[in-house]
Amino acid sequence: QKEVEQNSGPLSVPEGAIASLNCTYSDRGSQSFFWYRQYSGKSPELIMFIYSNGDKEDGRFTAQLNKASQYVSLLIRDSQPSDSATYLCAVRIMEYGNKLVFGAGTILRVKS
Amino acid sequence: DAGVIQSPRHEVTEMGQEVTLRCKPISGHDYLFWYRQTMMRGLELLIYFNNNVPIDDSGMPEDRFSAKMPNASFSTLKIQPSEPRDSAVYFCASSLGGTGNTIYFGEGSWLTVV
Repeated sequence: QKEVEQNSGPLSVPEGAIASLNCTYSDRGSQSFFWYRQYSGKSPELIMFIYSNGDKEDGRFTAQLNKASQYVSLLIRDSQPSDSATYLCAVRIMEYGNKLVFGAGTILRVKS
Repeated sequence: DAGVIQSPRHEVTEMGQEVTLRCKPISGHDYLFWYRQTMMRGLELLIYFNNNVPIDDSGMPEDRFSAKMPNASFSTLKIQPSEPRDSAVYFCASSLGGTGNTIYFGEGSWLTVV
């Protein structure tokens, strides 16, 4: 099992819809979780981080963490074509010396 | 504020040549990371430094790869000799206060070895 798993997609949603991106992780001791967005040909940029169980909202973005089930998700409300990108989930894996391990990413396409 | 600065942005080199990638982290950041990104393997951590000291180089693929950080504002990643399978985007990133904190990436160095 990979340490951080994401569905590669592409996930296609119509403009204005909610996009739901999911990520599962293997290390039960993980405490820090991050979502990065990467446009084609660009570097990853941080969207949100979450440390505690539950939801964390920032504008149109909501991160959800469920440590018991070992998954973290990102919801994008009112999706826009400019949200089309690859979304990378990153988890600090304690058993790997607290290194930040990235998932392979999910490609999101928002169709206008 | 200037972000993480990498050079060169693009490099095409012949197999067997030495490649040196350079990075200037965000001023004040005490952690520096080198990542490699390929379609097949995604984003992989190669090595990271804390206060200029290499902490974990377990991701460095083989002895052909080496990294240095002679001071707080400069780091290099060297590949010698280069091979076609080294073709990738190499990202430098920095953070303040640890591997669990927010990491800021540079624009990347796109390396093609022919």
